[in-house]
Amino acid sequence: AQSVTQLDSQVPVFEEAPVELRCNYSSSVSVYLFWYVQYPNQGLQLLLKYLSGSTLVKGINGFEAEFNKSQTSFHLRKPSVHISDTAEYFCAVSEVITQGGSEKLVFGKGTKLTVNP
Amino acid sequence: NAGVMQNPRHLVRRRGQEARLRCSPMKGHSHVYWYRQLPEEGLKFMVYLQKENIIDESGMPKERFSAEFPKEGPSILRIQQVVRGDSAAYFCASSPPSVPEETQYFGPGTRLLVL
Repeated sequence: AQSVTQLDSQVPVFEEAPVELRCNYSSSVSVYLFWYVQYPNQGLQLLLKYLSGSTLVKGINGFEAEFNKSQTSFHLRKPSVHISDTAEYFCAVSEVITQGGSEKLVFGKGTKLTVNP
Repeated sequence: NAGVMQNPRHLVRRRGQEARLRCSPMKGHSHVYWYRQLPEEGLKFMVYLQKENIIDESGMPKERFSAEFPKEGPSILRIQQVVRGDSAAYFCASSPPSVPEETQYFGPGTRLLVL
């Protein structure tokens, strides 16, 4: 079974500062890795995903994440945040499959990013 | 191309009543997933369905909860005799059928409040 740990439940930063949101996972099988963002009272929007290949993944809104297999981590980074990045961020994993559809996602508990002026 | 649609967006029920949550997947998607988000928690998987089949219900509570995805119409998550602990946001996601598709696309959720 997979599990995801997001070590920081809340991260306050100032506008234009860099930010890193940490995510560690455990799994006995190969996994896909995802970061989703949730704005207040809305659904989840995919930021980026790692499937295979290059370990540095670029996503929307200037975010990127790096897959580190030896450390079982998939930390999310942005070099300069905006007020509009204030939201909750979820890291998730799913088992790699070969048939149609996809496997269930296992989510971390989320990190609330607050960007202050 | 409409995204995943869920209705109602907000639902208020009194203890003991039934709640029905509906999810229409994206066009062309035949795989549906339901997740529950409790306050201050991440999303927890409940059930995975394909048309007329339940594929994985390992996250569904054993009693009062059921889900279906009929040949025609939306997927339905049904909660009978709701209790206050059922208050949560329920999210539906969908993915296409024909190839391994790693991305699930989420709807806006239904926020259930049990009084």
